[in-house]
Amino acid sequence: DTGVSQDPRHKITKRGQNVTFRCDPISEHNRLYWYRQTLGQGPEFLTYFQNEAQLEKSRLLSDRFSAERPKGSFSTLEIQRTEQGDSAMYLCASSPGQNNEQFFGPGTRLTVL
Amino acid sequence: QKEVEQNSGPLSVPEGAIASLNCTYSDRGSQSFFWYRQYSGKSPELIMSIYSNGDKEDGRFTAQLNKASQYVSLLIRDSQPSDSATYLCAVRFSGGYNKLIFGAGTRLAVHP
Repeated sequence: DTGVSQDPRHKITKRGQNVTFRCDPISEHNRLYWYRQTLGQGPEFLTYFQNEAQLEKSRLLSDRFSAERPKGSFSTLEIQRTEQGDSAMYLCASSPGQNNEQFFGPGTRLTVL
Repeated sequence: QKEVEQNSGPLSVPEGAIASLNCTYSDRGSQSFFWYRQYSGKSPELIMSIYSNGDKEDGRFTAQLNKASQYVSLLIRDSQPSDSATYLCAVRFSGGYNKLIFGAGTRLAVHP
């Protein structure tokens, strides 16, 4: 399978705990995006990487959220001190850059108890 | 506020009919438009992209773009029960990087 992969697929955690998600983009896609989706809504942009550089970050992203893309390959999204409002599907997408077509991974569903 | 608007539905059509899904966007300078299909509990799947005014056809799907009216639509011909899903309209707005702004989606139900 050469699509975008995400790990884990599901995560249940208690409020206040830290969680980290991983995304592996399609090979040779230099652009990587994180989105968050809640029930009944479309995906909401969180952050964008071009290679290893984080070029844009949503103002909605509190300082509890941090993302990295070392070496311009896989990316991690960490949420510190989770809150119940963080419960959502976290989606990663990658793009080759020419036309901005973004391809999504299967997502990580986070439940904060 | 950059917005993408879709009718939430559900849009119910009989099998074999044409389903018409509509989307409006707020930024006149937008250049890239996408339609994604999302089955319940799954992630969005890209089905169409369109960049210039007019129609773009791919199999049973036709995307239509009218930049003057800030309107993009998706037609699904010969609708099948397997087309039942939520269809998300996404727009790359001008003036930023490459993030997509999504509408909330239209739920399509194709009944036999």
